[in-house]
Amino acid sequence: KNQVEQSPQSLIILEGKNCTLQCNYTVSPFSNLRWYKQDTGRGPVSLTIMTFSENTKSNGRYTATLDADTKQSSLHITASQLSDSASYICVVSERDSSYKLIFGSGTRLLVRP
Amino acid sequence: GAGVSQSPRYKVAKRGQDVALRCDPISGHVSLFWYQQALGQGPEFLTYFQNEAQLDKSGLPSDRFFAERPEGSVSTLKIQRTQQEDSAVYLCASSLVVRSKGGYTFGSGTRLTVV
Repeated sequence: KNQVEQSPQSLIILEGKNCTLQCNYTVSPFSNLRWYKQDTGRGPVSLTIMTFSENTKSNGRYTATLDADTKQSSLHITASQLSDSASYICVVSERDSSYKLIFGSGTRLLVRP
Repeated sequence: GAGVSQSPRYKVAKRGQDVALRCDPISGHVSLFWYQQALGQGPEFLTYFQNEAQLDKSGLPSDRFFAERPEGSVSTLKIQRTQQEDSAVYLCASSLVVRSKGGYTFGSGTRLTVV
């Protein structure tokens, strides 16, 4: 059932450092892939969305990549800030039911001063 | 409103009790979704409305779960005879158009604890 797998499960980095989060998926046929940020006690907020033909998308200090052939995506965070501490969730949609988001379990990121 | 509003924020129910969770989507949003998020996990799809029509309820875990959106705006997720395994955060999301490739807006969720 685990159609979207994320790694690492958790990560601690120092403020100002960069980090990269990984996502592998088996969802097929593929429609799009999103990265969401979820603060504790809040709903997920969209960071990026990529379709099959896109292989990179940036949103400020966040850069997502997509390799649809290997079904892998990454989210790179540059110059981390304390406010980046949150869960980052990879979300994939199937082509035939693209309204239905399939979430990974997330990577819990903690940025320390 | 400016965002998706869910109420209550927290609900403690005794096992066997019925509960009703409310979602106020962004005004004018056609699509509305309910997701269930267990502790430490990503959300899982429960059901989808397009206006007042419930087009997909394949994610509802049992017939104890029922959702409605009678006038195509506010939605209610009802859980009958709650069980401990129903404890989770229930998230509501809305989208302006059908099959949106962009903006799904999530509410902050209702945390249900069944004791």
